[in-house]
Amino acid sequence: DAKTTQPPSMDCAEGRAANLPCNHSTISGNEYVYWYRQIHSQGPQYIIHGLKNNETNEMASLIITEDRKSSTLILPHATLRDTAVYYCIVRSTYNQGGKLIFGQGTELSVKP
Amino acid sequence: AAGVIQSPRHLIKEKRETATLKCYPIPRHDTVYWYQQGPGQDPQFLISFYEKMQSDKGSIPDRFSAQQFSDYHSELNMSSLELGDSALYFCASSLRTSGADTQYFGPGTRLTVL
Repeated sequence: DAKTTQPPSMDCAEGRAANLPCNHSTISGNEYVYWYRQIHSQGPQYIIHGLKNNETNEMASLIITEDRKSSTLILPHATLRDTAVYYCIVRSTYNQGGKLIFGQGTELSVKP
Repeated sequence: AAGVIQSPRHLIKEKRETATLKCYPIPRHDTVYWYQQGPGQDPQFLISFYEKMQSDKGSIPDRFSAQQFSDYHSELNMSSLELGDSALYFCASSLRTSGADTQYFGPGTRLTVL
């Protein structure tokens, strides 16, 4: 079973920041938080991941709470192309296999 | 940058036929994962290979088998196809020795069983 909880859907206005929350209260110390998105029937696209510290790349920022029980994915300036299902996944490190267990995800709709 | 390649992109089969899906990982990646996504569902892990050895196994039917070859490409063989096997099949690859072992997905193969 997925170890994360996400809201099923969210709306965001184009050009505004999209903040997608994720709860992972049972996360273990060696588990990363990964974010992927899937644009209609395409292959899931890697966005960002983190262990303890906040992370930022060209796509997004990941904010992880100090107790690691929740995180927020931030798309700073959402565009229509960011409309997708966003998956927050807690994953063991590589030496434990590392399969991705997808939960229901958040369906983000970016609107003009 | 080179991505994961999957072939064919679309496949139509009859019930009880066999199908072979192919996956070519990102160059120098040593691990391959297979996922199945049924209509309206989330992707489900099937099986993975690391350095040509099976690494992990999920909800893969006994009718399915897979292997990773010496050039690291992988094939998913599906026999006695059933209507319920109609789905998107994604392959992902990663470099396990890189630490975080991030998986990158291919575009998928859409299998339709009639």
